[in-house]
Amino acid sequence: KNEVEQSPQNLTAQEGEFITINCSYSVGISALHWLQQHPGGGIVSLFMLSSGKKKHGRLIATINIQEKHSSLHITASHPRDSAVYICAVMASGSRLTFGEGTQLTVNP
Amino acid sequence: GAVVSQHPSRVICKSGTSVKIECRSLDFQATTMFWYRQFPKKSLMLMATSNEGSKATYEQGVEKDKFLINHASLTLSTLTVTSAHPEDSSFYICSAREGLHYGYTFGSGTRLTVV
Repeated sequence: KNEVEQSPQNLTAQEGEFITINCSYSVGISALHWLQQHPGGGIVSLFMLSSGKKKHGRLIATINIQEKHSSLHITASHPRDSAVYICAVMASGSRLTFGEGTQLTVNP
Repeated sequence: GAVVSQHPSRVICKSGTSVKIECRSLDFQATTMFWYRQFPKKSLMLMATSNEGSKATYEQGVEKDKFLINHASLTLSTLTVTSAHPEDSSFYICSAREGLHYGYTFGSGTRLTVV
């Protein structure tokens, strides 16, 4: 079992839909990251959080430390949100442990 | 915000040659830089961690002599793939942190093709 599990692996939505991507982890962490990777390969860090909730535009990230679970929500989804979303946790030291990613496709 | 510039974005080289990939932090000093490799449809695999002025720490299974990492300054780390083989073809990406309490900034990645 991976230390970081994401679900779903693939997600197809219609434009405007509310989207949720989940991340569960099995180790104690100091922080959790949500990353976005577009088809070209470049990775953008969306959020770094260690507790509670953060919001940036249409994106919301929450984390429950006790339950070792985080969610990434996208409101009013748009085709440009189509990308791979990756959950990564920082346990010991500075290294990140990555989930397998969720491929999101938003159709117009 | 913090920006990490990675070059080149794509490179094609012949088997047996060496390729250097650069990763620069443009507006912050990166005490630690990380190099990852990504296979198609897979997540990132950490290859090594480099701290400025010291030797890189390689992950198990990563050949130190094949993947040379240099972090000579607080803004520049390089990965050199030596004596490249077709199986080294992959997507390589770096990330950097300014310090322990900061997040990670990723480069745009380098698509290496060895022919």
